[in-house]
Formats: sequence, C-alpha cells, structure tokens
Amino acid sequence: ETVLTQSPATLSLSPGERATLSCRASQSISNYLVWYQQKPGQAPRLLIYDVSKRATGIPARFSGSGSGTEFTLTISSLEPEDFAVYYCHQRSNWPPYTFGQGTKLDIK
Amino acid sequence: EVQLLESGGGLVQPGGSLRVSCAASGFSFSNYVMSWVRQAPGKGLEWVAGLSGSGGTAHYADSVKGRFTISRDNSKSTLFLHMTSLRAEDTAVYYCAKEGQWFGVDSFDYWGQGTLITVSS
Repeated sequence: ETVLTQSPATLSLSPGERATLSCRASQSISNYLVWYQQKPGQAPRLLIYDVSKRATGIPARFSGSGSGTEFTLTISSLEPEDFAVYYCHQRSNWPPYTFGQGTKLDIK
Repeated sequence: EVQLLESGGGLVQPGGSLRVSCAASGFSFSNYVMSWVRQAPGKGLEWVAGLSGSGGTAHYADSVKGRFTISRDNSKSTLFLHMTSLRAEDTAVYYCAKEGQWFGVDSFDYWGQGTLITVSS
C-alpha cells in the first residue's frame, strides 16, 4: 500500500499570504496525484488532478507541482474561503487508493 | 448537472447489517467507475470499495473485504454498499464518489453529501 504523508499537519496563515502544502508518497506514483479541499460539514471538492491540472471552476491561485514521490499544492494568495482541510490522494498503485492524513489550513 | 444522493444511513448494532444507496443523475452512469469513501468522525478519508461501470469488477479495502459488497443497478443509476458484520470502527460518513471510465485514471470528480452510519449498542 502506498502511504501518503502530508506536511504540515496544520498551517496557520493570514489572508493574502502564500500557502505551500506538501505530500510525500512512500513509493513513486508517477503523475497520479490529486488534491481535494474539504470544509466542515461538506463533502470533499476536487481541486487538482494529475499533479497540476485544475478542475473545472477552480481559481488560478491554486496550483500543483511535483513528480515521483514529492508533491506540492500552492495557493498563491489566500482568500478567506480557502481556509479548510486539504487532502492529497494517489491513484497510481491500487487497490487500495490512498489519501494523505490532511493538512488543516487555518486563519492566523 | 451531476448529482449524487446517498441514503440509508443510521444507527446499527455491532454485528448487524445495513445497505446504503447512492442515486446518481446528470451523467451516463453505466460508463463510469463508482466508489465508496468513508470518513470517521474527526478523521481523514478512507477509500472503501470501487466498482466498474458494467458492475463486473470490484475492488475492496482490506479493512472491509469479506464483509462489504459493492453493487450497482445501471437501469436505475444507483450504487449500493451492503455492509455486514459491522464493527464500531466502521462508524463514519459514507460518501459515494464518481470516478473516470476506468480504475486508476482521473479522480473522484463528484461526491455525494454523505450518509452517517453509527455502529453502537
């Protein structure tokens, strides 16, 4: 099973700042890396797939990068609605599909 | 507009059984892999099971293998999860999620709102 480790567990930033979230895989996952955003009481929402492709309707301030085992989600300038939990997810080595444990982005 | 609507959650005793459903609309249901993903209270996401568009190929997480069965009725655009021998650790919100046309590609691009299953005496 491919384990995904996200860091940091919690990131405290202010609106307008840049956020950098990391996801490390226990083995290579090629480019099958996905990012989701989840707000309290809501289902996850697709942000980024195939490492760097933004899903429909996702603002350009969200970007993804990386390869192999190291991946990054960057939010260039935080908006108030961006404070949420972010999960990475791999679809390369399955079953099972696996998720990271999440990074909580909260307001400083 | 793609919509996924889960139903059938509730309180069940340890060792009991339950079936949850997911009614889909807004896309050609039989052409897409569908999965169940769960989230225990205050915890992260865990993939549970996935089923090919035809219903012929299923995959399960080790934690539920032999206890849960995923199925679908393409004539009614509905996905099911039949759960037996339920344990306290199965307590979670269960989401159905749409994938691509094959396992492994694309992403979970649409999710339902989830249904809560609580396993407790």
